[in-house]
Amino acid sequence: AQSVTQLGSHVSVSEGALVLLRCNYSSSVPPYLFWYVQYPNQGLQLLLKYTTGATLVKGINGFEAEFKKSETSFHLTKPSAHMSDAAEYFCAVGRRGSNYKLTFGKGTLLTVNP
Amino acid sequence: SAVISQKPSRDICQRGTSLTIQCQVDSQVTMMFWYRQQPGQSLTLIATANQGSEATYESGFVIDKFPISRPNLTFSTLTVSNMSPEDSSIYLCSVEGGSSYNEQFFGPGTRLTVL
Repeated sequence: AQSVTQLGSHVSVSEGALVLLRCNYSSSVPPYLFWYVQYPNQGLQLLLKYTTGATLVKGINGFEAEFKKSETSFHLTKPSAHMSDAAEYFCAVGRRGSNYKLTFGKGTLLTVNP
Repeated sequence: SAVISQKPSRDICQRGTSLTIQCQVDSQVTMMFWYRQQPGQSLTLIATANQGSEATYESGFVIDKFPISRPNLTFSTLTVSNMSPEDSSIYLCSVEGGSSYNEQFFGPGTRLTVL
């Protein structure tokens, strides 16, 4: 069974500050890991993904995440927050042979203060 | 990535009625998924819909309550039957991304309120 834990249901940062959203996963096999973003009244948009290879992955809008197997983590970062980054962020885990099923974390609401 | 549309985008319904949500994709896909996102909650998978076969439901979801159709490779419907206020949620469809890495692409969602 897989599970995802997102630490902090709400993160607030100032514009220009570092964004760090935490995600830890549990998986019995090497995972595929994803970050999705949901803007108000919209569906989910794929931000970035880790499948194999390089553990530091870059996504859209300046976000990146690092897969750390020893820590079972996949934290999302952005060096400088922008007002437009305000949204809900979901971490998700999948695995080979699971027919594309994903397990989602509970989400982290990011607010950006001017 | 696929472009996915859903109809309706939102609706307000009376208790005891049913609502059918449509999901249209701009390309042919094998697997489509239906999720429920209750207020302030994460996504919960309702069922997986493959063209030409019966939908596969997750634990806690049954066909009588959430019948699904998948008539072709670009379209699916989810019906929420005999609705109660507890069914008030956002319903999202998604499709497999075409790679082997489990990625999914999501529609904009249908925001349902049951009175």
